[in-house]
Amino acid sequence: DIQMTQSPSSLSASVGDRVTITCRASQGISNYLAWYQQKPGKAPKLLLYAASRLQGGVPSRFSGSASGTEYTLTISSLQPEDFATYYCQQYSTNPYTFGQGTKLEI
Amino acid sequence: QVQLLESGPGLVKPSETLSLTCAVSGGSINNDNYYWGWIRQPPGKKLEWIASIYYRGNTFYNPSLKSRVTISVDTSNNQFSVKLSSVTATDTAVYYCARQGSVTGTYYFDSWGQGTLVTVSS
Repeated sequence: DIQMTQSPSSLSASVGDRVTITCRASQGISNYLAWYQQKPGKAPKLLLYAASRLQGGVPSRFSGSASGTEYTLTISSLQPEDFATYYCQQYSTNPYTFGQGTKLEI
Repeated sequence: QVQLLESGPGLVKPSETLSLTCAVSGGSINNDNYYWGWIRQPPGKKLEWIASIYYRGNTFYNPSLKSRVTISVDTSNNQFSVKLSSVTATDTAVYYCARQGSVTGTYYFDSWGQGTLVTVSS
């Protein structure tokens, strides 16, 4: 299985901050990488796919990038509604695997 | 806007079979562009993909669960289901159904159900 390792596991930030979350794949996944946001008691919400493509309706302060097997989610200016847990997922190879999550806290 | 809604028992006894159904509304499950999948999340843990199915019946399983999982589709009722046999406490989780792209490069999950908690306990 392809292992997805996220860092950090938790992150404290303030409204207006720029934050970056990293996800590293254990092997190449050809940018077949999605990012999800999950709030407590809710289903995950797709934010980005293909490493950097914004899902419809997602604010432009969210962006993604890739370098080799390392993928980055950036939130340019944190808003109160952005405090949540973020997961990456590779969809290159069965089984499709998720990172362990990054909890973004105030 | 497609909507998905999981249903099934919230409590299952050890060694028994967990059965869940996902009703799809706002769109047809008979869509060439999508698979329909199940994902679970044990309390406080990460997400785990279980299986996916195409409306024509093609199935895809997580090898770690394949021996215990059966996924099926009911196109006449626009729903799909999953069964997980021989459950133990480690199968306790929130189970989500979701829509997944079916074209290479689109196998991410773009719409999710609200999730249903299934507890395995005697």
